[in-house]
Amino acid sequence: KAGVTQTPRYLIKTRGQQVTLSCSPISGHRSVSWYQQTPGQGLQFLFEYFSETQRNKGNFPGRFSGRQFSNSRSEMNVSTLELGDSALYLCASSLTPGQGNNGYTFGSGTRLTVV
Amino acid sequence: DQQVKQNSPSLSVQEGRISILNCDYTNSMFDYFLWYKKYPAEGPTFLISISSIKDKNEDGRFTVFLNKSAKHLSLHIVPSQPGDSAVYFCAASRSIIQGAQKLVFGQGTRLTINP
Repeated sequence: KAGVTQTPRYLIKTRGQQVTLSCSPISGHRSVSWYQQTPGQGLQFLFEYFSETQRNKGNFPGRFSGRQFSNSRSEMNVSTLELGDSALYLCASSLTPGQGNNGYTFGSGTRLTVV
Repeated sequence: DQQVKQNSPSLSVQEGRISILNCDYTNSMFDYFLWYKKYPAEGPTFLISISSIKDKNEDGRFTVFLNKSAKHLSLHIVPSQPGDSAVYFCAASRSIIQGAQKLVFGQGTRLTINP
């Protein structure tokens, strides 16, 4: 079965712009979580969605937002981009909220570069 | 507040020897722990997990040890192989049974296996 699909794989944006990243979870998975990976900080939790509802939110400014659609696909949006937003953004899916016995299944990520 | 810490950013080990990766946590409510492995340009993949009711879990060459009193866990890889070269992330969560709990990740340790 298809894995977690994130698009686009790479993105270059200018400071002040906004960006939307997309994540399609594994078929049948209804929970999607987003993480930001930067060198030295590891994976920082952004938010988690289940059944189109945000169930958990990390400590990121309001410029970071997300949503989930009825088909479980999720998008995250970052407005007014800053240089420090340059990172790998990872999406993970699971059947239900929480990690399950084997944890999440991650996508390959979207590499965002802000210049 | 870094609740999960991997204090060694990198580790270099000779092929065939044992690799030991360490992880410390501060939140005593964590009761489920996982290790993920990440290659460049790919998302993290689940490696092995342990619940707080155990102090050891083994899967082939990989063994995870949990010391709850010290709030410390370690991943042992023996024997180490060149394909083990990757970034390893430790993650922790509260109550798998309750679900709906996000995974908290450490900063990662880059493991290099030298031939």
